[in-house]
Amino acid sequence: GAGVSQSPSNKVTEKGKDVELRCDPISGHTALYWYRQSLGQGLEFLIYFQGNSAPDKSGLPSDRFSAERTGGSVSTLTIQRTQQEDSAVYLCASSRHRGNTEAFFGQGTRLTVV
Amino acid sequence: AQTVTQSQPEMSVQEAETVTLSCTYDTSENNYYLFWYKQPPSRQMILVIRQEAYKQQNATENRFSVNFQKAAKSFSLKISDSQLGDTAMYFCAFMKPPQGGSEKLVFGKGTKLTVNP
Repeated sequence: GAGVSQSPSNKVTEKGKDVELRCDPISGHTALYWYRQSLGQGLEFLIYFQGNSAPDKSGLPSDRFSAERTGGSVSTLTIQRTQQEDSAVYLCASSRHRGNTEAFFGQGTRLTVV
Repeated sequence: AQTVTQSQPEMSVQEAETVTLSCTYDTSENNYYLFWYKQPPSRQMILVIRQEAYKQQNATENRFSVNFQKAAKSFSLKISDSQLGDTAMYFCAFMKPPQGGSEKLVFGKGTKLTVNP
């Protein structure tokens, strides 16, 4: 596609429910990243994919968070048993290949846990 | 671990004037990349400018330029002839050389820039 696409744009969920956030990277981009932007906290790295594998998962805050990528393309970030502190904007980015430093970002999913 | 500090939470500038946003970072690496990203209200992060640490020449992109001081670990962004469309959050970011599976960006907390007419 023309750019990185994320869905949904906004999501409101009840505490304790599971949510899935989707990222569709730019076609042909092998590297994919998830970041979380919390109010007043800046952006925090969550996970990095190269193809379908995730060599760096160091930013996932707890075992309630998981992510997968299939077909070297679409990625899904899943948050189980959501908590209020999970409320944030979740941003996805992709880059052409490993070692290419220009990352293109999507518009993010704003998650609100009530 | 690398850290990035932006000491100016908010700044404002008059249209057509020049403004400089500050960024300092901490790393033990000798080779790395530095970036400035712009985030307008649409939330989409847009790359403004990029600097490779091994290059002594400061990067320039049209009205945007950087002052990279490697010894001081400083990387400021100068916006010349400010335009209303420059109003946004600006994030400074650091990346180690892509290797060994670690290719993440480390961001500062951002500076909110407002350009006034």
